[in-house]
Amino acid sequence: DAGVIQSPRHEVTEMGQEVTLRCKPISGHDYLFWYRQTMMRGLELLIYFNNNVPIDDSGMPEDRFSAKMPNASFSTLKIQPSEPRDSAVYFCASSLSGWETQYFGPGTRLLVL
Amino acid sequence: DAKTTQPPSMDCAEGRAANLPCNHSTISGNEYVYWYRQIHSQGPQYIIHGLKNNETNEMASLIITEDRKSSTLILPHATLRDTAVYYCIVRNSGNTPLVFGKGTRLSVIA
Repeated sequence: DAGVIQSPRHEVTEMGQEVTLRCKPISGHDYLFWYRQTMMRGLELLIYFNNNVPIDDSGMPEDRFSAKMPNASFSTLKIQPSEPRDSAVYFCASSLSGWETQYFGPGTRLLVL
Repeated sequence: DAKTTQPPSMDCAEGRAANLPCNHSTISGNEYVYWYRQIHSQGPQYIIHGLKNNETNEMASLIITEDRKSSTLILPHATLRDTAVYYCIVRNSGNTPLVFGKGTRLSVIA
């Protein structure tokens, strides 16, 4: 398996633009997680899904952020409108069951100007 | 989840054992100790986890004290590629999230 795949790897956009980050989990994994990492706040859990259903989105910073998982092999994290403070590295991770071992993707480095 | 305390940074000579400590004095009986690491510009990588017995895998060994209030991750023969931030995380086996602290920045020096 190729592991967790994220795209794009880098994104530069201007304030106010819509940003969509994509994730393909490891095949057969039932859980998918979105994290954000900044120097100030470290690695934070934003939202996670179980069998394509959002379970806990309490980490989503505000209504500008939304996440979907239309099927077992694809998830998106959308920011609309984007702001400079959204600049961070966004990681997607998946796990086979529960929280035992999460496998992380390479991340998307987002810069909002 | 129990809070963990780790030193912010450590150095280790290449080829020597790297011993990374973690304090988790408020850990409860059903909480596991997990270790992840993050190499620069990559996503975190699972290393090992344990409940109360010592554990070993191809990457590392985990030594948990008898009272479970602290643990040590051991990389037996550190290489330059082991330079990373190492996170010690305590969580129970239920559906609770991994909470990443600041970790220990390990620098392996040639």
